[in-house]
Amino acid sequence: EVQLVESGGALVQPGGSLRLSCAASGFSFSSSWMSWVRQAPGKGLEWVANIKPDGSDKYCVDSVKGRFTISRDNTKNSLYLQMNSLRAEDTAVYYCARDPQFAAIDLWGQGTPVTVSS
Amino acid sequence: DVVMTQSPLSLPVTLGQPASISCRSSQSLVYSDGNTYLTWFQQRPGQSPRRLIYKVSNRDSGVPDRFSGSGSGTAFTLKISRVEAEDVGVYYCMQGTHWPPTFGQGTKLEIK
Repeated sequence: EVQLVESGGALVQPGGSLRLSCAASGFSFSSSWMSWVRQAPGKGLEWVANIKPDGSDKYCVDSVKGRFTISRDNTKNSLYLQMNSLRAEDTAVYYCARDPQFAAIDLWGQGTPVTVSS
Repeated sequence: DVVMTQSPLSLPVTLGQPASISCRSSQSLVYSDGNTYLTWFQQRPGQSPRRLIYKVSNRDSGVPDRFSGSGSGTAFTLKISRVEAEDVGVYYCMQGTHWPPTFGQGTKLEIK
């Protein structure tokens, strides 16, 4: 079955760190651009970061630059998001997503919730 | 960043009636390769988003043909020819032409 399964979401204090994981199956992960998209409670969607199939190029939005790092391990069909210096405004459901071309995501995970609060 | 503006933000529709959602971008979405990377997503209550339409008007496999996308440049439209109960949810447009990709605010479709 073609799917993405996220894990790692949790309640964390401001300034803390968290690492999200995404396990891919049923498709050629090593050939796919992958992304993280987030959705704050009751709000819309926000692109966070994406990464080239071989991991050589990575991009992230300004609001998380210097704090979040996207990475992947093609031997494990896994995508990661290392989140440091977390802020209350990072509270959201984080979705792992496959991006076939120019952000036109065609596969979404179920999401993992991250809450930043003291 | 490119700003995507959707209207209306709330859309009450009677079952069987048509619905239309507008999406406007602050810059042209035509890429240098001639393609326009405008995508429509549906998010049903409690679910992850699902892609409906890509590159303005290409409907995804499994998406009912009552959904259609159109537009060019900076103005785009998602139309539902006859709304059904399963269409309830929030609809988002998104541009991938300019970095970073940006989404519209979302349009909440409900049954009247």
